[in-house]
Amino acid sequence: DTGVSQNPRHKITKRGQNVTFRCDPISEHNRLYWYRQTLGQGPEFLTYFQNEAQLEKSRLLSDRFSAERPKGSFSTLEIQRTEQGDSAMYLCASSSGWGINEQFFGPGTRLTVL
Amino acid sequence: GIQVEQSPPDLILQEGANSTLRCNFSDSVNNLQWFHQNPWGQLINLFYIPSGTKQNGRLSATTVATERYSLLYISSSQTTDSGVYFCAPTPGTASKLTFGTGTRLQVTL
Repeated sequence: DTGVSQNPRHKITKRGQNVTFRCDPISEHNRLYWYRQTLGQGPEFLTYFQNEAQLEKSRLLSDRFSAERPKGSFSTLEIQRTEQGDSAMYLCASSSGWGINEQFFGPGTRLTVL
Repeated sequence: GIQVEQSPPDLILQEGANSTLRCNFSDSVNNLQWFHQNPWGQLINLFYIPSGTKQNGRLSATTVATERYSLLYISSSQTTDSGVYFCAPTPGTASKLTFGTGTRLQVTL
């Protein structure tokens, strides 16, 4: 068990470009979560999946953001037409989804939009 | 949505000192986790504690769900304890964590 992994760890892009991040959860975890953290704040919930179904989306997730988990394993988060306000740390977490639903976080992808 | 308040916002300790961090929340919860965020941004799980008391080495935590608060105790602090501590409850039947603004701890020699 290698824990939750995220790629890339850092991404620098120009305003208006599209970016995609990947998250690989702990194997056999059926719930996967995306959070966003800006400087000096706690992480904020964006969306979560149970297997391949996206069950909840935050109002923070504008129509420029889309997340998928096509086979119920890894997930991708895409941001289209990036804006400077999208600069943040994007965190992924996973949990087993039953019993003790403890969430475990990956190292995050730090996005900088120039 | 649920409101989460952590206190104190900042704390400076000398190595070896003890401290108590507090987390108040505004709604009933089915889950509560404490995390330590290291300088590289990694969130490290400390406790899963929706109610009761748990201990892990120099750290212990207590959640009193009926009174809507949780406490994190750090004893004999070390410089490696420095970082930001977050409390994150999950309200009602929800699955998402709601984070407080954290307590920034600095342990000095």
